[in-house]
Amino acid sequence: DTGVSQDPRHKITKRGQNVTFRCDPISEHNRLYWYRQTLGQGPEFLTYFQNEAQLEKSRLLSDRFSAERPKGSFSTLEIQRTEQGDSAMYLCASSFPRGDYGYTFGSGTRLTVV
Amino acid sequence: AQSVSQHNHHVILSEAASLELGCNYSYGGTVNLFWYVQYPGQHLQLLLKYFSGDPLVKGIKGFEAEFIKSKFSFNLRKPSVQWSDTAEYFCAVRHNDMRFGAGTRLTVKP
Repeated sequence: DTGVSQDPRHKITKRGQNVTFRCDPISEHNRLYWYRQTLGQGPEFLTYFQNEAQLEKSRLLSDRFSAERPKGSFSTLEIQRTEQGDSAMYLCASSFPRGDYGYTFGSGTRLTVV
Repeated sequence: AQSVSQHNHHVILSEAASLELGCNYSYGGTVNLFWYVQYPGQHLQLLLKYFSGDPLVKGIKGFEAEFIKSKFSFNLRKPSVQWSDTAEYFCAVRHNDMRFGAGTRLTVKP
């Protein structure tokens, strides 16, 4: 499989618990992005990495959210003390740095906080 | 930062009707423009993109889009829609990272 992989596909958690998602990008892509998508909305930018460096974080990314890409390959997104408002689809994408390249998206992780 | 507006929230058409979905962006510098499609239960897929040259770009499945710089617009068109085009369509603009519009849900009635 040469696409972007995300794990798990679905996660149901109780409010207050911590969750961690994983994204494996296309191996040749050195940029990796995290987005959040809620029903009826477009993907909202959260953060992105170039190799292992986190270059930008959205204001949407509160202190409860942290993302890492320690070796410049896969990335993890952790949400601490989950809230019901965190329920969403979390999307990962990867690309080359050049602006004329589109992103390749994964299938997403659907988080439900109960 | 760049932003994207899609004015049509939900469009309903009959098969064979023509389609035009509006997209306007705000950013003063050089941007690259994209349309993505999300079929029910599937991930986002690239329909087409513009980065330079001919402002009329053709994508997959008979879709095309026209970049009008003076209007900051990048509208998506298809001359004759099919039932299988039922999906959510997202316009996006990329400078450093990509920002998406809220999406337009297209329903094509058979």
